[in-house]
Amino acid sequence: DAKTTQPNSMESNEEEPVHLPCNHSTISGTDYIHWYRQLPSQGPEYVIHGLTSNVNNRMASLAIAEDRKSSTLILHRATLRDAAVYYCILTRTNQGGSEKLVFGKGTKLTVNP
Amino acid sequence: GAGVSQSPRYKVTKRGQDVTLRCDPISSHATLYWYQQALGQGPEFLTYFNYEAQPDKSGLPSDRFSAERPEGSISTLTIQRTEQRDSAMYRCASSLEGTEQFFGPGTRLTVL
Repeated sequence: DAKTTQPNSMESNEEEPVHLPCNHSTISGTDYIHWYRQLPSQGPEYVIHGLTSNVNNRMASLAIAEDRKSSTLILHRATLRDAAVYYCILTRTNQGGSEKLVFGKGTKLTVNP
Repeated sequence: GAGVSQSPRYKVTKRGQDVTLRCDPISSHATLYWYQQALGQGPEFLTYFNYEAQPDKSGLPSDRFSAERPEGSISTLTIQRTEQRDSAMYRCASSLEGTEQFFGPGTRLTVL
């Protein structure tokens, strides 16, 4: 399985943008990039995913480097409720259907009021 | 149902006892996954089902762990002869084929 590397922790201030980086230098051409997050005492939840093009949804944006060896999850205006561990995960199939998710250690995001 | 449910939410057992954990996925979701999450770590894959079929058991740590989904809906995870190292949060997730995984609240297992 291709691996991802993320910083252990990051801090942000409320209502400011947050850029969470992920390196995946061994990504293959057909690997999808997914982001899940886990709020304290809850199960993981899907945030966003992409293949080659940048993606936007109501939760976040995903910026994918042209060579696909890195990506950045962007929270446009962090709120206290965004404090969570963010996981960058590669899968071989779209949206990870019928495929295990390999969670690394993720990035623990702290949002300061 | 509205989401993935799991029961019990908490289970305390003595070493050597068998435990069975239950997962009720979102109705109509064909695929069901089991993960184990140690404190401070990300979830680790155990096994998954596509309806009743169990294509991948590669994450089950030992033959003491088994899972079933006989009718393609509710699933159980059984741990026989529990050991202290089995203490963890056990999470279930479900998905429609080719969609995101939705996670349940988990069962916190403590083996004394």
